[in-house]
Amino acid sequence: DAKTTQPTSMDCAEGRAANLPCNHSTISGNEYVYWYRQIHSQGPQYIIHGLKNNETNEMASLIITEDRKSSTLILPHATLRDTAVYYCIGRAWGQGAQKLVFGQGTRLTINP
Amino acid sequence: NAGVTQTPKFQVLKTGQSMTLQCAQDMNHEYMSWYRQDPGMGLRLIHYSVGAGITDQGEVPNGYNVSRSTTEDFPLRLLSAAPSQTSVYFCASSSLGRVGTGELFFGEGSRLTVL
Repeated sequence: DAKTTQPTSMDCAEGRAANLPCNHSTISGNEYVYWYRQIHSQGPQYIIHGLKNNETNEMASLIITEDRKSSTLILPHATLRDTAVYYCIGRAWGQGAQKLVFGQGTRLTINP
Repeated sequence: NAGVTQTPKFQVLKTGQSMTLQCAQDMNHEYMSWYRQDPGMGLRLIHYSVGAGITDQGEVPNGYNVSRSTTEDFPLRLLSAAPSQTSVYFCASSSLGRVGTGELFFGEGSRLTVL
C-alpha cells in the first residue's frame, strides 16, 4: 500500500473551507485514496474515497491530482465539530493487498 | 445491524496476565483487522485477516495472537500482558468483494491498562 505523508497539524476558522493535503507519490494504479477522521477517542469514521476523478459527498470533496501523487480533502464550511485527526491512506484491491497502514494523520483544529 | 462490536470496553490487567479482546461484525465482511492507538499517536496495525482461516501480521504483531475461525469473529489474544501494551485497541472490518467500496468500519475501541 502507498505510503502517505500529511502535515502534522492545521488550523481553520469556523465557516471557512478546510483544505487538507496528502502526498502519496508512490501510489500505484490500482490503489484508491481513502480519507478517515477520528474525533477525540472514538473509532475512525470514513469520509470519502477516490481513484482518479474528483469525488464529492455530503461530508466533503476529494480532489486528486492528474498524476495521482497527491490529493486534497476539502471540508467546504468547517464547523467546530470537524475538529479531529484526519487520515489519508492508499488501498489496493485483492486479498494480498490489505495491510492497511494509517499514518500520523493531520490534527485539524477549527477555531471559532 | 450492530456493525462492529468490541468487548470489553475497558480492562485492567496485571503484568503477565492473559486476556482476549473480542471483535464481532454482522456485515458478512471478509476483511477484519486490529489496530492499537497510543496517546497522541496514530493507529498502528497489529494483525489482519482476509477471510476465515487466513491471518497475517501488521506493523506491530509481537505479543499478540489472532485467529479467524468464523467470518464474524476476530479475537485478539494477549498471552502475557506487559505495560507496553497499555493502549486503546480498535477492531475494523470491510468487504473485499466490491472494488471501489471497501469502507472500513471501526468498533468503539477497547481501553486496556496493564499495571
